[in-house]
Amino acid sequence: GAVVSQHPSWVICKSGTSVKIECRSLDFQATTMFWYRQFPKQSLMLMATSNEGSKATYEQGVEKDKFLINHASLTLSTLTVTSAHPEDSSFYICSASRPGGSYEQYFGPGTRLTVT
Amino acid sequence: AQSVAQPEDQVNVAEGNPLTVKCTYSVSGNPYLFWYVQYPNRGLQFLLKYITGDNLVKGSYGFEAEFNKSQTSFHLKKPSALVSDSALYFCAVRGLYNTNAGKSTFGDGTTLTVKP
Repeated sequence: GAVVSQHPSWVICKSGTSVKIECRSLDFQATTMFWYRQFPKQSLMLMATSNEGSKATYEQGVEKDKFLINHASLTLSTLTVTSAHPEDSSFYICSASRPGGSYEQYFGPGTRLTVT
Repeated sequence: AQSVAQPEDQVNVAEGNPLTVKCTYSVSGNPYLFWYVQYPNRGLQFLLKYITGDNLVKGSYGFEAEFNKSQTSFHLKKPSALVSDSALYFCAVRGLYNTNAGKSTFGDGTTLTVKP
């Protein structure tokens, strides 16, 4: 299979501060990574598609200035939640697909963000 | 627009009995369909996929799924359930065209509980 890691696994921050979450593909190169939010007992909501070397594509309703995405290399994408508020508290998950058309996604273990 | 429906929030089966987790989809063109499983406190794991070919696809942990084009369904099945199969299961469809190209849409998830 393919391994995707996320760091940190959980983070607590105060309102108004920023938090950076890293997503790494450990054994393959990922030109595209995806960022999701998952609410308790609910499905995954796609936030944005992260493209290596170019700007991320955000889904409708997701504030690109609040959720900054950087995909600086073929193995690393970062999501920065800027000026965090309690309503940003959630479980954030990244995923990537292996190149070559296998199509299935490999997910990171997720990051639990709590904003106090 | 593409969509996935998992009509059952919860499925309960006894260990050793067959299980079915239902999924229907809507997508333009030929569907790329997936099942993922999420164990407590762990990331989503890929189970199986349908891209083309045989309608019955086999995946990890003894799971299989049947693609039915006329009913636009992709139900997940296992002949004999194990207690360790208890988890949250997601069906997903991947878009091929236009703004949905490369993006996966997930169902709301079905919690499977297998009782000893």
